[in-house]
Amino acid sequence: GAGVSQSPSNKVTEKGKDVELRCDPISGHTALYWYRQSLGQGLEFLIYFQGNSAPDKSGLPSDRFSAERTGGSVSTLTIQRTQQEDSAVYLCASSSGPASETQYFGPGTRLLVL
Amino acid sequence: GENVEQHPSTLSVQEGDSAVIKCTYSDSASNYFPWYKQELGKRPQLIIDIRSNVGEKKDQRIAVTLNKTAKHFSLHITETQPEDSAVYFCAARLYGQNFVFGPGTRLSVLP
Repeated sequence: GAGVSQSPSNKVTEKGKDVELRCDPISGHTALYWYRQSLGQGLEFLIYFQGNSAPDKSGLPSDRFSAERTGGSVSTLTIQRTQQEDSAVYLCASSSGPASETQYFGPGTRLLVL
Repeated sequence: GENVEQHPSTLSVQEGDSAVIKCTYSDSASNYFPWYKQELGKRPQLIIDIRSNVGEKKDQRIAVTLNKTAKHFSLHITETQPEDSAVYFCAARLYGQNFVFGPGTRLSVLP
């Protein structure tokens, strides 16, 4: 079946604008993760959704960042009032549940804030 | 919370030689340790993983060892090939929680 998909693949925006990044997990996967990867750096955890449980938001760097997961499937990561330091690749991953630990990553959204 | 360190940050080996990357973790409750390979411009892909009830796991040229007492785990790649060149990330996780990744190791296999 289809893997994890993300859109857009690239996004260029001006400082101060809001952006929305979308993630479509693998069908049936109940766990969904967002990460940020700056150029040449590691994976920075942002937020984790597991089924209907309250999400783990402990990695969100500021209140400008928020995420939703509607109907237990598609997720949207919103960055308000973007700053240049928000420029990075935003990766989404899903897994079939808390007992299944294999994460499948999407291709990422490359965000550039001018 | 969990903290994962990874060494070395860069590693160059001759083709055919072995490569070893080591990670240490801080939370003794973590029980799952995956390794991901990320080629330039690509998404991370799981190459091998190990759970805390196992000391070693092998898959062809790749192996992972875990020392729970010392809280470290290592990736071993034997008979390296140019296509092994990539950035490798380790991670640690407690069941049901988020993953904490190491900063990555850039492996270059020289022909």
